[in-house]
Amino acid sequence: GAGVSQSPRYKVAKRGQDVALRCDPISGHVSLFWYQQALGQGPEFLTYFQNEAQLDKSGLPSDRFFAERPEGSVSTLKIQRTQQEDSAVYLCASSEEGEGNTIYFGEGSWLTVV
Amino acid sequence: GDSVTQMEGPVTLSEEAFLTINCTYTATGYPSLFWYVQYPGEGLQLLLKATKADDKGSNKGFEATYRKETTSFHLEKGSVQVSDSAVYFCALKSGGYNKLIFGAGTRLAVHP
Repeated sequence: GAGVSQSPRYKVAKRGQDVALRCDPISGHVSLFWYQQALGQGPEFLTYFQNEAQLDKSGLPSDRFFAERPEGSVSTLKIQRTQQEDSAVYLCASSEEGEGNTIYFGEGSWLTVV
Repeated sequence: GDSVTQMEGPVTLSEEAFLTINCTYTATGYPSLFWYVQYPGEGLQLLLKATKADDKGSNKGFEATYRKETTSFHLEKGSVQVSDSAVYFCALKSGGYNKLIFGAGTRLAVHP
């Protein structure tokens, strides 16, 4: 597709369930980012991949959060034993290699934990 | 650490009014600065950017000037339209890759 694609768009999980959120970046984009956006707030950085290498995971809020990009294209963000405070929009973004390149965002996966 | 502060919304204007949304930042070094826009039901889109002091970014009638002396990057538009109704995010990038730090966002509502 032309843009960053995320699925599912909407997910309702019971507290304690595991969830997996998928991101298909723009073809050929080396850099991939995950952000978390709570209601009424700006996006907050979670993690960054360059190809398959996870170079920065400083924003992951706990060890329940895990991200992977095994073949350097599609990425999955996994949240184990979901809690209510995990309810947010999870945004994926991608860009070409190098500083100064435009970062393209997906529409996000809306997670509600009940 | 690096941070972005922008004015709280909502900002409510009549069509053709002048818009200013304030944004200030704290950063080590010399960050690049951005405005992103989020229209209802859509993803974040880059609106404009500036990469060094005194640069002016502009797009779709919006503009913002990188002011190092006041650490600001205020967004302006001379005449807003109903279609400009959206949430606007100020952001900065510093460091070796494209990691962005966002403000909390300002919702703009433009009425006919």
